[in-house]
Amino acid sequence: KAGVTQTPRYLIKTRGQQVTLSCSPISGHRSVSWYQQTPGQGLQFLFEYFSETQRNKGNFPGRFSGRQFSNSRSEMNVSTLELGDSALYLCASRGSLETQYFGPGTRLLVL
Amino acid sequence: SQQGEEDPQALSIQEGENATMNCSYKTSINNLQWYRQNSGRGLVHLILIRSNEREKHSGRLRVTLDTSKKSSSLLITASRAADTASYFCATDATGNNRLAFGKGNQVVVIP
Repeated sequence: KAGVTQTPRYLIKTRGQQVTLSCSPISGHRSVSWYQQTPGQGLQFLFEYFSETQRNKGNFPGRFSGRQFSNSRSEMNVSTLELGDSALYLCASRGSLETQYFGPGTRLLVL
Repeated sequence: SQQGEEDPQALSIQEGENATMNCSYKTSINNLQWYRQNSGRGLVHLILIRSNEREKHSGRLRVTLDTSKKSSSLLITASRAADTASYFCATDATGNNRLAFGKGNQVVVIP
């Protein structure tokens, strides 16, 4: 099976812009979670989607949002970008077992 | 402090030696997972141990879990240069895919 894919891999934006990141889970997996990784805060949970519904949400401002489509692909959106949003954004998919499989990440740089 | 927090140590060992990392957490968990990350790339799942398990093996990896002490350890035996990476433990406290990660342990294996 193909692994989790994320696009784009790298992104440069300026403050105030918005950005959309995409994640395609492993075939057959219905749960997709998003995480933010920064040197200062480490890995933090953003949200989780299952069957197109947000099931869990982390402690991030409303500028961070996401959605999931009927084919389980997921997108996350960050509006009004701030310098502190520069991070590696990772998505993970999960099937019927507990293991979460991560994609390669999207590295976002906000200037 | 964070759920799933490794001892904040960087390990530098010779190839062939064993490497041990520890992780402590604060709340009850359903399972604990260990991941490896190379140079800021995606996370690679290594092993999952459930709360009712005490020890698990996978190849050169051995994980222990002590729920009474709320701690886990990861042992890598006969290390190789390719084991050079950051290692994270992550706890699933709710069973809802919301993983809480530690800060990570950087391991350098010298050939």
